[in-house]
Amino acid sequence: KQEVTQIPAALSVPEGENLVLNCSFTDSAIYNLQWFRQDPGKGLTSLLLIQSSQREQTSGRLNASLDKSSGRSTLYIAASQPGDSATYLCAAVYNFNKFYFGSGTKLNVKP
Amino acid sequence: DGGITQSPKYLFRKEGQNVTLSCEQNLNHDAMYWYRQDPGQGLRLIYYSQIVNDFQKGDIAEGYSVSREKKESFPLTVTSAQKNPTAFYLCASRRTPSTDTQYFGPGTRLTVL
Repeated sequence: KQEVTQIPAALSVPEGENLVLNCSFTDSAIYNLQWFRQDPGKGLTSLLLIQSSQREQTSGRLNASLDKSSGRSTLYIAASQPGDSATYLCAAVYNFNKFYFGSGTKLNVKP
Repeated sequence: DGGITQSPKYLFRKEGQNVTLSCEQNLNHDAMYWYRQDPGQGLRLIYYSQIVNDFQKGDIAEGYSVSREKKESFPLTVTSAQKNPTAFYLCASRRTPSTDTQYFGPGTRLTVL
């Protein structure tokens, strides 16, 4: 059974810090790896999608990397801001319809 | 405005009652999904549909039912057979065939009284 783990479960940092969120998955036969953001009581918003043939993707201050062989992905957030406070979830995608989500990392960026 | 809508935002149900959660999308996506999210946990797939009049069970389908009579709509019924229905329910859609991401609605919080 595919399992996705995210560490840490929660993270609190002062504004301006660079930070790394971790995601690991048990089955390396993924189609792609996706990172989402979820604000309290809201739906998910897609941040980055890394295809299985890619090593990383960047969008603004966000950079996500993928190492299929080790079953790991990281989300790097540069120069964090209070508006980045949210829960970040990763999803390992094994076919078009099977998205396996981690339980998320709850990020708090203090002003 | 293109997107996915879910209603209601909050829903209260008495034990033994069936309730139906609405999900509508105007993105012209073929595939639609229902997930359940419990506190501190990731999303778990309940049902998905790749095309009108077809749907498949996900990992936790027991106690739930769906229909897909129109491309735009994918309602979820939580039946009295669902033992612990209190949760946050999320609907999503995706363009197919592709490896595109899923687009999520704002969610419905269901509480059983």
